[in-house]
Amino acid sequence: SYVLTQPPSVSVAPGQTARIACGGNNVAIKNVHWYQQKPGQAPVLVVYDNSGRPSGIPERFSGSKSGNTATLTISRVEAGDEADYHCQLWDTSSDHPGVFGGGTKLTAL
Amino acid sequence: QAQLHESGPGLLKPSETLSLTCALSGAPISNYYWSWIRQSPGKGLEWIGCVYYSGNTKYNPSLKSRMTISIDSSKNALSLKLRSVTAADMAIYFCARGTGDDTNGWYDYWGRGTLVTVSS
Repeated sequence: SYVLTQPPSVSVAPGQTARIACGGNNVAIKNVHWYQQKPGQAPVLVVYDNSGRPSGIPERFSGSKSGNTATLTISRVEAGDEADYHCQLWDTSSDHPGVFGGGTKLTAL
Repeated sequence: QAQLHESGPGLLKPSETLSLTCALSGAPISNYYWSWIRQSPGKGLEWIGCVYYSGNTKYNPSLKSRMTISIDSSKNALSLKLRSVTAADMAIYFCARGTGDDTNGWYDYWGRGTLVTVSS
């Protein structure tokens, strides 16, 4: 089955920029979506279709893609951004279309 | 805004059948697909399966032989049945609304999740 790889953790000082990577085969030709999940809460969509931002999500959250790696960038990181971040895509080549990365814990030092 | 609310027994014994329901409100259920996603303690998200408004389903192959997902449009409810549960099935189970089509999709609304424990 399809595998999306994320780093287990990313640490950044408040006010700095955090970048969370998500890699996999053929990511270059697929759409990647990102979710923020705070402890004890359900995931919240923060980026869809690689770089789209849902209503209500701050402009500090942005998505991009280069080759087979998608990146979620959080500018001017705040303490409230500490959470797990999950990437996701839809793999139409298999009967297991819903695929999530392993998640990355963002820590604001 | 769509609202999703999961319900079901929190505690099961090994070999029993897990039955969960997700009540859907605030938005039409047509033109979307509806999924179950679970998260084992301290782990990432695992896609379980989905059902389209048409009734067509897609399942995670690792669970397919034990699982049934269905949708009842008259009751605005999504359901999950997972047979012969083991400790490996202990997780928080989320229902979520999928937006997209057969080639692409993301989850824009989620329930709060319900914790399922398996213990003898």
